[in-house]
Amino acid sequence: GAGVSQSPRYKVTKRGQDVALRCDPISGHVSLYWYRQALGQGPEFLTYFNYEAQQDKSGLPNDRFSAERPEGSISTLTIQRTEQRDSAMYRCASSSKLVTGDGTEAFFGQGTRLTVV
Amino acid sequence: DAKTTQPTSMDCAEGRAANLPCNHSTISGNEYVYWYRQIHSQGPQYIIHGLKNNETNEMASLIITEDRKSSTLILPHATLRDTAVYYCIVRPPLVYNQGGKLIFGQGTELSVKP
Repeated sequence: GAGVSQSPRYKVTKRGQDVALRCDPISGHVSLYWYRQALGQGPEFLTYFNYEAQQDKSGLPNDRFSAERPEGSISTLTIQRTEQRDSAMYRCASSSKLVTGDGTEAFFGQGTRLTVV
Repeated sequence: DAKTTQPTSMDCAEGRAANLPCNHSTISGNEYVYWYRQIHSQGPQYIIHGLKNNETNEMASLIITEDRKSSTLILPHATLRDTAVYYCIVRPPLVYNQGGKLIFGQGTELSVKP
């Protein structure tokens, strides 16, 4: 596609339910990032992938959060047993990767607004 | 990761240059300075990045001090559409098989006024 696509755009779920957020990166981009953004705050890093390999998951808040990218393209961020504090905008970004050097820009999707009630 | 310090907010008159400062006094020799901006509820948008030399593109100019401890993003002729939160980020260079995560701070909220 032309840009990073995330679905759903909005998700309202009841506390305790599991949710799965989807990210479809720009075709050919090998790096994929997940961020969470609370209102009035900058994006908070969660995790990222190169191809299908999860390179860094240090930003995942706890073990209720997980992410996968099994075929190196589409990624899913799963939150189990959701809590109200999980309510936020979840953003995905992708970038092409250079072997070395200064890298390239990351392109962000429009995000999924998650509300846990 | 090196940390950055930016003013919380700034105003700029439409048509004038907007100069957004960023301090990164603990930056390492091989770390790059990136700037992104976020307009209202949209996703962050890449603006420019640099290592040592000043950089210019169609959106902005980046001026990095000789000691690399600070930088300034310049929007030469600010328009109302440039109203956004601007993030200054320090990022290590990519190495093979390791993408580079971006660590966002609070940014500077720039308001361009008519």
